[in-house]
Amino acid sequence: EPEVTQTPSHQVTQMGQEVILRCVPISNHLYFYWYRQILGQKVEFLVSFYNNEISEKSEIFDDQFSVERPDGSNFTLKIRSTKLEDSAMYFCASTRTGHRSYEQYFGPGTRLTVT
Amino acid sequence: GESVGLHLPTLSVQEGDNSIINCAYSNSASDYFIWYKQESGKGPQFIIDIRSNMDKRQGQRVTVLLNKTVKHLSLQIAATQPGDSAVYFCAENYGGSQGNLIFGKGTKLSVKP
Repeated sequence: EPEVTQTPSHQVTQMGQEVILRCVPISNHLYFYWYRQILGQKVEFLVSFYNNEISEKSEIFDDQFSVERPDGSNFTLKIRSTKLEDSAMYFCASTRTGHRSYEQYFGPGTRLTVT
Repeated sequence: GESVGLHLPTLSVQEGDNSIINCAYSNSASDYFIWYKQESGKGPQFIIDIRSNMDKRQGQRVTVLLNKTVKHLSLQIAATQPGDSAVYFCAENYGGSQGNLIFGKGTKLSVKP
């Protein structure tokens, strides 16, 4: 069964450093998403992406965040200057159709620890 | 284990019993709802969805009920198994959104053998 993959599984970085989290969505999917989950809290939407541009973003997704689909398979989330409060699990998701979130498939997540 | 932030409600059931997990959603304009299962260290896994033009939808061993009047969603798991132990989240989406999901707080289901 096809699945969303994410690398690395765990990333430790120092405050102020840039990090790039990588995702490979399911190959025939067209809509891509990033969510985050601070330990013990709800999963929160960050951004959705379609046709090489951001479709929607939340208040969390400020100027420090950016997303990119550099080639036909990868989907990345960059945090320019990490803060302690960016420590969380970051989940990538993809779906075949974008309208109404038809079965978003989530990756296993990247645990980001900012020290 | 660590426990910071939100305290999760916990439902403990005996193996073989039926489980009912409840969720109150926030936006009366939401018209699409999903239940996700999250096991420790993994991403959310899709279980079942329902659109607002339905009151009930059944899957394999799972049933979702939607009560739009009181903005309530429930997930029923029949013959609960130890492998069902996980945190269960409801999520909602409304028509004005391109697909972002708003997740609920989650309920931890523990199945006793």
